[in-house]
Amino acid sequence: DIQMTQSPSSLSASVGDRVTITCRASQSIRNSLNWFQQKPGQAPKLLIYAASALQSGVPSRFSGSGSGTDFTLTIISLQPEDFATYYCQQSYSAPRFTFGPGTKVNIK
Amino acid sequence: QVQLVESGGGVVQPGRSLRLSCAASGFTFSSYGMHWVRQAPGKGLEWVAVISYDGSDIFYADSLKGRFTISRDNSKNTLFLQMTSLRAEDSAMYYCARVFSAYYPLDVWGQGTTVTVSS
Repeated sequence: DIQMTQSPSSLSASVGDRVTITCRASQSIRNSLNWFQQKPGQAPKLLIYAASALQSGVPSRFSGSGSGTDFTLTIISLQPEDFATYYCQQSYSAPRFTFGPGTKVNIK
Repeated sequence: QVQLVESGGGVVQPGRSLRLSCAASGFTFSSYGMHWVRQAPGKGLEWVAVISYDGSDIFYADSLKGRFTISRDNSKNTLFLQMTSLRAEDSAMYYCARVFSAYYPLDVWGQGTTVTVSS
């Protein structure tokens, strides 16, 4: 089974900061990596698919990169509404999916 | 608008069964694969099961050990999750989500239904 890890597990940042979250797969998953944002009490929301493609309606301050085993989600100029938990998810072993453990972005 | 609405959650005793439903609207349900994903309180997301657009292909998380059954009724635009022999560790928010095809992302999610397994 493909295992996903994320780092850090949590971080504190200020509005306007640049934030980077890393996701690592236990084996190569090519570009089969998606990123989700989840706010308290809400369902996850798709941000990035296929490692770097921005989902329709998602602000351009979000970007994704990487391939193989190492991936990055970057938020340039963090906004108040971006404080949330972010999950990576591999679809290489589709239709079975695996999620990373999540990274919580807190207000500093 | 495109919408998924889960229902059927509640409080159930250990060992009992429960059936969750997910009603779809605003899109051609029969063209999409559907997943169930759960989230225990304060924990991360756990993939549960998937069913293909026509119900011909079904896969489950190994951890479920055959206790859950996913199904769909395309004539009623509804997805189901039959859960049996429920355990305390099955307590979670259960989300349904759609996928256009196997390798596509989960692009629309429902708001979830809560299952609590407790005596």
